[in-house]
Order: sequence, then C-alpha cells, then structure tokens
Amino acid sequence: AQSVTQLGSHVSVSEGALVLLRCNYSSSVPPYLFWYVQYPNQGLQLLLKYTSAATLVKGINGFEAEFKKSETSFHLTKPSAHMSDAAEYFCVSNQGGKLIFGQGTELSVKP
Amino acid sequence: DTEVTQTPKHLVMGMTNKKSLKCEQHMGHRAMYWYKQKAKKPPELMFVYSYEKLSINESVPSRFSPECPNSSLLNLHLHALQPEDSALYLCASSPTSDSYNEQFFGPGTRLTVL
Repeated sequence: AQSVTQLGSHVSVSEGALVLLRCNYSSSVPPYLFWYVQYPNQGLQLLLKYTSAATLVKGINGFEAEFKKSETSFHLTKPSAHMSDAAEYFCVSNQGGKLIFGQGTELSVKP
Repeated sequence: DTEVTQTPKHLVMGMTNKKSLKCEQHMGHRAMYWYKQKAKKPPELMFVYSYEKLSINESVPSRFSPECPNSSLLNLHLHALQPEDSALYLCASSPTSDSYNEQFFGPGTRLTVL
C-alpha cells in the first residue's frame, strides 16, 4: 500500500526566506502526487500536481516541487516566503480515487 | 464555474436530530467524495461516488447516509450522531475517480454535535 510521509509537523521561516516542506512517498509504481494547502477553517486548495511529464512542477503562488524517483521524494519549495503563505500543507498521493494524505506540515511565517 | 459549494457553512445539532449536508458542483465531474476532518489532522475519506453510484464506503457508521441524486449534487444525511462526530465535513469532486485527477474541494461544513 502506498504511504506518504511529511517530515516536520511544523516549519517556521522568516518572511523572505526559503520555504522547504519535505515529502517522501513509498510506492512500487509511479505515483500520482499532489500538494494541497489549507488555510484556517477552509477547504483544501491544489498547489500543484505531478503528472510524470516533468520532474520539476510549477504551481500557484510561486510554489514548485521536484519529483526525485531515486529518493522517493516530492519536496515543496518557494524561494521567498510571504506572510500569506502561513497555512497547513498536505502532500497527497492518489490511489484510484482514494487520496493518501501525509500528516500535514503547518507553516508559520515570522515578520 | 470551477468551484464546489457546500451548505450550510456551520451546523449545530443534537444527538436526536436529523440533518443533511449538501454539496454541489457544475464542472461536469463524475466523481464526488465526502471527507471528515478533525482538528490538526488530514481529511479522512468517508464515501466515493462514481457516475452516481456508491463505489467506496470506508466502513462509515450507518448514522451517516450518503446520497447522490444526480451528477451535480451530493448529500450527506445525518441521524443520531455522537459528539465525537463533530468535525469539518469536506466535499470534493474530480472529473473521474482515476488516480491522475486532482480533487477539487469545497469550503466545508463545520458540524457540532451537542
């Protein structure tokens, strides 16, 4: 069975600093991977998805993620954090319509 | 129209009440989902409908009863709930239930059971 692991339940960065949220997956077949963001008391919004067309995936709000098969990783990055990036981030794998969620990483951005 | 709508936004109910949550999408999606999310946790899948037929029930208690009247609408009927059922209930949809499709989420219904 597929599983998704997010390293670090809470990450804190300063405004303008690099954001790096880590995600590793376990799978014997190429996974379908997504990053979602959830702001307080809201639903989930898709940031980006891996479709196997390119290993570097660009998403909304300046985020991008790189799929590395050798490391079974799909880490999310943003060069410069903004206060509005503070939210919960989920790395997700889709297995036949069943989303497999990582435990989530709460991103805090300090002024 | 590229959004999933959910009503009501908030719902407070007693353990003997019967209520329903509603979800709607007009993107032509043929797969729709119900999730339950507790605080500080990822969403947990409850039900999947594919082409208006229930395809996945994640062993959800019978006090939760889903219904898909048509391809745009998904309901969740609630009866005799327990306080531990208090949570954010999220609806989602996708073009089909294939793995390569992203799911589009609604804003959720915040349910409190007294």
